[in-house]
Amino acid sequence: EDQVTQSPEALRLQEGESSSLNCSYTVSGLRGLFWYRQDPGKGPEFLFTLYSAGEEKEKERLKATLTKKESFLHITAPKPEDSATYLCAVRDPSGAGSYQLTFGKGTKLSVIP
Amino acid sequence: EAQVTQNPRYLITVTGKKLTVTCSQNMNHEYMSWYRQDPGLGLRQIYYSMNVEVTDKGDVPEGYKVSRKEKRNFPLILESPSPNQTSLYFCASSFQGARETQYFGPGTRLLVL
Repeated sequence: EDQVTQSPEALRLQEGESSSLNCSYTVSGLRGLFWYRQDPGKGPEFLFTLYSAGEEKEKERLKATLTKKESFLHITAPKPEDSATYLCAVRDPSGAGSYQLTFGKGTKLSVIP
Repeated sequence: EAQVTQNPRYLITVTGKKLTVTCSQNMNHEYMSWYRQDPGLGLRQIYYSMNVEVTDKGDVPEGYKVSRKEKRNFPLILESPSPNQTSLYFCASSFQGARETQYFGPGTRLLVL
């Protein structure tokens, strides 16, 4: 059973059309939920870490929120350069060494000019 | 510049020919990890290291070896590569702590014929 599920798998937006990506998780005792951005053929680039329900973080056009069962990555007025795959990961306290990240499969975002 | 570097970035090899992918970080991080990324499967952890001379298996360790003789380096060894190890590999590192963020290298694309 997947511990981290991201939806949708792919999302096409017009430039300026705001939307949200979802990351739901089933681990208990969450020790952090992470959002990364990944461009094709490159390593994941860190965006945000959230630790407790109700927490919110913002960076430019991106805003991440966390509840007890899911996280949302809100994209406001996206631009073509926001096109990438967005990955969600959770730190599972039962994971290897307690530092293991369990990743979702990502949401591929395309922003059309 | 703080970074995680990997070499080589691209590698084509044949079944059974031993190879090593190097990973180095200049941030004095204690924790280092190797992931592989495959279409439809996402990022999966291969091995991790909590510190020098301390390594352990992740979710998919079969066919891989690692060593951690120095804090900055964490090479991934494929002693007898097989076609099912064709993948995109990422090294990551972080300080050791429940709230620390993992930073990823640029990736190594491996093709085993």
